[in-house]
Amino acid sequence: EAGVAQSPRYKIIEKRQSVAFWCNPISGHATLYWYQQILGQGPKLLIQFQNNGVVDDSQLPKDRFSAERLKGVDSTLKIQPAKLEDSAVYLCASSPDLGEKLFFGSGTQLSVL
Amino acid sequence: GIQVEQSPPDLILQEGANSTLRCNFSDSVNNLQWFHQNPWGQLINLFYIPSGTKQNGRLSATTVATERYSLLYISSSQTTDSGVYFCAVDPNTGFQKLVFGTGTRLLVSP
Repeated sequence: EAGVAQSPRYKIIEKRQSVAFWCNPISGHATLYWYQQILGQGPKLLIQFQNNGVVDDSQLPKDRFSAERLKGVDSTLKIQPAKLEDSAVYLCASSPDLGEKLFFGSGTQLSVL
Repeated sequence: GIQVEQSPPDLILQEGANSTLRCNFSDSVNNLQWFHQNPWGQLINLFYIPSGTKQNGRLSATTVATERYSLLYISSSQTTDSGVYFCAVDPNTGFQKLVFGTGTRLLVSP
């Protein structure tokens, strides 16, 4: 069974530029999550989708971050414009349904210079 | 919001030793999951354990939800067990989202 796919694996941009990350969850998983992990810390939830609807985006900096899951399958997370403090690993995860076991992708390591 | 504290923060073991990692949480939860983040950054789900005890090979976990803690046992540790161990809880808020703990960094030396 294929796991959670993410791309790109690494991205380096300058501050004020834009960047987008892509995630394809495990087939059949209804719930998709985007987490941000800053070096030395645990992952922090940015946004949670159930099918193509947003369940929770209370910790998403909406002035610069946006995410969509239009067809209830794959998802895109965008940052525009990026700031230095956005340097982190962006992790996508999925679960069969709300409150079930979580599976993570390999993450995208973002460096903002 | 809920606080999730893990101990110890760092642990160094000789290969073959046993260890116990602890996760304390400040409020009632719907479920609890344990993860291992390997040195390459991949997070692997070890256990989904809202209560009771589960075992998977050399690893086992126990959650006592009424007392708000969970324990992860690693027996006969191997160098491949190195990395960071996170517990994550789903607070009883109705949103069913995971809040991660502070992590325990484990180094197993040969």
